[in-house]
Amino acid sequence: DGGITQSPKYLFRKEGQNVTLSCEQNLNHDAMYWYRQDPGQGLRLIYYSQIVNDFQKGDIAEGYSVSREKKESFPLTVTSAQKNPTAFYLCASSIGWINQPQHFGDGTRLSIL
Amino acid sequence: AQTVTQSQPEMSVQEAETVTLSCTYDTSESDYYLFWYKQPPSRQMILVIRQEAYKQQNATENRFSVNFQKAAKSFSLKISDSQLGDAAMYFCAIYTGTASKLTFGTGTRLQVTL
Repeated sequence: DGGITQSPKYLFRKEGQNVTLSCEQNLNHDAMYWYRQDPGQGLRLIYYSQIVNDFQKGDIAEGYSVSREKKESFPLTVTSAQKNPTAFYLCASSIGWINQPQHFGDGTRLSIL
Repeated sequence: AQTVTQSQPEMSVQEAETVTLSCTYDTSESDYYLFWYKQPPSRQMILVIRQEAYKQQNATENRFSVNFQKAAKSFSLKISDSQLGDAAMYFCAIYTGTASKLTFGTGTRLQVTL
């Protein structure tokens, strides 16, 4: 079955540590996105990528980095510069540009030790 | 800047009844897209329904329909014949070409009771 796989489901970060969240899709979608969700808030866009080797900052990119070396993969690194990383992270993809319906993964819960 | 407001943090409906979730938005664009997403306890976001602003006809998807009032910048979601599986967080979102991104509201938690 086609879909989006995020791993791990739960992740813990120590102070000063970088961690990487994985996102893989087998839907052959061109565009991929990373969102952050905090309690009582909607989703906020961190980064997005329309094509391989190209990505753009979203609303809250500070303290995060991404890469898009392969069409099916869009990993997100939460760096030590992100001072409040505890949140639920969702990866999404769409066939074309962002006005197309987005398909979401199951998310990763990141917590600070 | 585009904004989305969902003024109902929580709603409750009895099984088999109808419920309407409210959403208002603000944008200076004339061409945009509106979405309703459902997030069940599993946390996965699921597209419920999509509406193009240039279409006057309200979108319908089985038991889900929207009331799109462009002049009022309102985009409410009606769920008919509510089922226990409809219990979830519902998010309204807007996309405009100028902003080039989806903007989400803060969500409405829907409870379905027997």
